[in-house]
Amino acid sequence: QITLKESGPTLVKPTETLTLKCTVSGFSMSTTGVGVGWIRQPPGKALEWLAFIYWDEDKRYNPSLKTRLYVTKDTSKNQVVLRMTNVDPADTGTYFCAHRGWENSGWFGNWFDPWGQGILVTVSS
Amino acid sequence: QSALTQPPSASGSPGQSVTISCTGTSNDVGGSSSVSWYQQHPGKAPKLIIYEVTKRPSGVPDRFSGSKSGNTASLTVSGLQAEDEADYYCCAFEVSNNFVFGGGTKLTVL
Repeated sequence: QITLKESGPTLVKPTETLTLKCTVSGFSMSTTGVGVGWIRQPPGKALEWLAFIYWDEDKRYNPSLKTRLYVTKDTSKNQVVLRMTNVDPADTGTYFCAHRGWENSGWFGNWFDPWGQGILVTVSS
Repeated sequence: QSALTQPPSASGSPGQSVTISCTGTSNDVGGSSSVSWYQQHPGKAPKLIIYEVTKRPSGVPDRFSGSKSGNTASLTVSGLQAEDEADYYCCAFEVSNNFVFGGGTKLTVL
């Protein structure tokens, strides 16, 4: 069974760097095809894709946030880490990590399943 | 990268069918077979209900179906049930190999 769980600070001050961890189980980040994405959701608003990291270290970022984001993985710890620099109150929201979708045939696709429970991060002084 | 366009709200009575649209461009919805849909109940994480435009994960009722025409993807919920009341989001994998979500649709079961 694949599970993901987000962890990190729930309160961050403006201009600080936010570091979130996604601890995964039921799969290895070194398996060919595997990927983990980060998605956030401001209170009462829509989902916004942030970043994605593949098993081979390839990384993708939302172009509008690219200069502030960095994603990395620690395969030995089964963790994916997202860093967001220079946070602002507009970055307040729930942050989710999610597994790259795959079919029982072993084929990996471009959707998210399953998702972690999310972590609510508030940016405030 | 602009968010995909969804209607803010949709509604239907129990037993009826409702269709939610998701409009993008040839760089995302129109140019991709990777369109997915997610259901989100209040305070919960999103749940995958449709992937690759039309495929349904195991465990998702066949009342949920997906389709696509040109730059617009659609989610149809047939035989509406009270538990279908939730927010629904589409997502496309762009030709640039990035992801983009829609603005979300709140489905109300009257």
